[in-house]
Amino acid sequence: QVQLVQSGAEVKKPGASVKVSCKVSGYTLTELSMHWVRQAPGKGLEWMGGFDPEDGETIYAQKFQGRVTMTEDTSTDTAYMELSSLRSEDTAVYYCATVLGGAVDYWGQGTLVTVSS
Amino acid sequence: EIVLTQSPGTLSLSPGERATLSCRASQSVSSSYLAWYQQKPGQAPRLLIYGASSRATGIPDRFSGSGSGTDFTLTISRLEPEDFAVYYCQQYGSSPGLTFGGGTKVEIK
Repeated sequence: QVQLVQSGAEVKKPGASVKVSCKVSGYTLTELSMHWVRQAPGKGLEWMGGFDPEDGETIYAQKFQGRVTMTEDTSTDTAYMELSSLRSEDTAVYYCATVLGGAVDYWGQGTLVTVSS
Repeated sequence: EIVLTQSPGTLSLSPGERATLSCRASQSVSSSYLAWYQQKPGQAPRLLIYGASSRATGIPDRFSGSGSGTDFTLTISRLEPEDFAVYYCQQYGSSPGLTFGGGTKVEIK
């Protein structure tokens, strides 16, 4: 059973960066394909990017390219998502999620990031 | 880029009724990579169906998925009180990695 525990809520000013962590237990990070999905208040789910095991690379949604960086620390089984140049539209709950066979089988509890001046 | 369009946006039904949710793709999707999720307020989504028609672990058999190509359906045979929620379809492919539909809210009539 995979468990994903994310870092706590953040409040950031426009133009700043945020880094959200996702601690894995039950499996090692190298056994998983980790992705990040966000959900703005009252809106739907939006994929940001994740690890493609076929290519062995992290792929990003075009919308976020240049602004998002996803990294992994395999020594602590922790994944990170850093989003820069924040704007009010980035206010959302950010989820880490594992993908197996094309579907998200496990989700973190979500991290609320609020961007406000 | 594949776009998933879900309909209707909102479905108003009573407990015990049948719910039929649609997910239409802008181009053909591999059935192996079409999934459905349920999301309740304040919670992360929960995987219901993967591979278009396979139920995830612990999902009751009143949930079923079907379809192929560009048209997919999630059916809830008899709505239970805990089934009133928002449902999303999702596809996985190379361009981009994941795509979600806009969601269908199933509300109590």
